[in-house]
Amino acid sequence: EVQLVESGGGLVQPGGSLRLSCAASGFTFSSDWMTWVRQAPGKGLEWVANINQDGSGTYYVDSVKGRFTISRDNAKNSLWLQMNSLRAEDTAVFYCARHGTGTIVSWGQGTLVTVSS
Amino acid sequence: QSALTQPRSVSGSPGQSVTISCTGTSSDVGGYNYVSWYQQHPGKAPKLMIYDVTKRPSGVPDRFSGSKSGNTASLTISGLQAEDEADYYCCSYAGSHTYVFGTGTKVTVL
Repeated sequence: EVQLVESGGGLVQPGGSLRLSCAASGFTFSSDWMTWVRQAPGKGLEWVANINQDGSGTYYVDSVKGRFTISRDNAKNSLWLQMNSLRAEDTAVFYCARHGTGTIVSWGQGTLVTVSS
Repeated sequence: QSALTQPRSVSGSPGQSVTISCTGTSSDVGGYNYVSWYQQHPGKAPKLMIYDVTKRPSGVPDRFSGSKSGNTASLTISGLQAEDEADYYCCSYAGSHTYVFGTGTKVTVL
């Protein structure tokens, strides 16, 4: 069974940093693209970033470019999202997800990030 | 990277059919056959219902079907059931390894 477990969310002040983690199991992690998707409270889903199988390719939504960094360690079956210069509008539940070809196939339960003073 | 346009809400009685539209551009929905649909119940993670425009993952009832015409994709739920009441989001590949989601539609079973 595919399992994706996020951690690292919490309350952070504007301008601060946070690092989200995702522990993956139940599939061959090194074979799949991975992605982060977020959902602001009461709002819709927003694709944030994804990373290819060996970590050599990373892609971001414009609103987080230069502030967020996605990375992975295939030996540890782990995915991360380093978030810097956080803004109030980054407040959201962040989901770790597994990619198939052209689609997001599996989702974690999410971790809440709140940016507030 | 503008969100795809979905109706805010649709509703139907049990047993009826409802259709949700998802309108994008030739750079996303119209340009690729990589449209997915997700069901999300309150407080839960999204669940994949349709991928590659028309395909259903194993375990998804055949009451759910997808289609696409030009820049608009659609999800149809036939034989509406109480458990289908949820939020639904479309998602399309948008080129250069990026993706865009729809604005979301709340389905209400009357």
